[in-house]
Amino acid sequence: DQQVKQNSPSLSVQEGRISILNCDYTNSMFDYFLWYKKYPAEGPTFLISISSIKDKNEDGRFTVFLNKSAKHLSLHIVPSQPGDSAVYFCAASHNNNDMRFGAGTRLTVKP
Amino acid sequence: DVKVTQSSRYLVKRTGEKVFLECVQDMDHENMFWYRQDPGLGLRLIYFSYDVKMKEKGDIPEGYSVSREKKERFSLILESASTNQTSMYLCASSARSGITYNEQFFGPGTRLTVL
Repeated sequence: DQQVKQNSPSLSVQEGRISILNCDYTNSMFDYFLWYKKYPAEGPTFLISISSIKDKNEDGRFTVFLNKSAKHLSLHIVPSQPGDSAVYFCAASHNNNDMRFGAGTRLTVKP
Repeated sequence: DVKVTQSSRYLVKRTGEKVFLECVQDMDHENMFWYRQDPGLGLRLIYFSYDVKMKEKGDIPEGYSVSREKKERFSLILESASTNQTSMYLCASSARSGITYNEQFFGPGTRLTVL
């Protein structure tokens, strides 16, 4: 049973617009959440993270929002750029050593 | 520049063969992980290791074993490869810290095909 779910396998947005990627989790013990980005033929690379004591973390064009009561987090990319086209994985951890990933969402940003 | 390397990018093996996937990290990380990535399932944790000679089962350990004889090296072993083990295998490492969480660094992956 997947503890981290990304229900949208794909998302397509126009360049310059906002991309919103969503993630839901079931394990209330998770206290740290991360987003990874993966290009074809490469390993995932860390993008942004958030601790459960916060509800928002921003890093340039990327913002992650956490709603603990709904067990939901989202990644906002604004403005979206063609180079953002990749698969985005949501991940969650309940200690510093163990992590669970979602199935991924393929983002396509059209010029 | 931090680096996680995997011994092969592509591997083709036959059913029943013993398969070794090697992973090496140069960051002196305590933690190392093996995942497999399949379409629609994302990354699923097979095994992980907190320290040399330590190992813990992940979500899907069946059909796999691991070895961590040196801190920088973590091996995944398929004792008798089967076609349902055809997948992309990803190795990762992270530092261990008592307070702050640390991101995992991934290798480029090994695409294994079992015929």
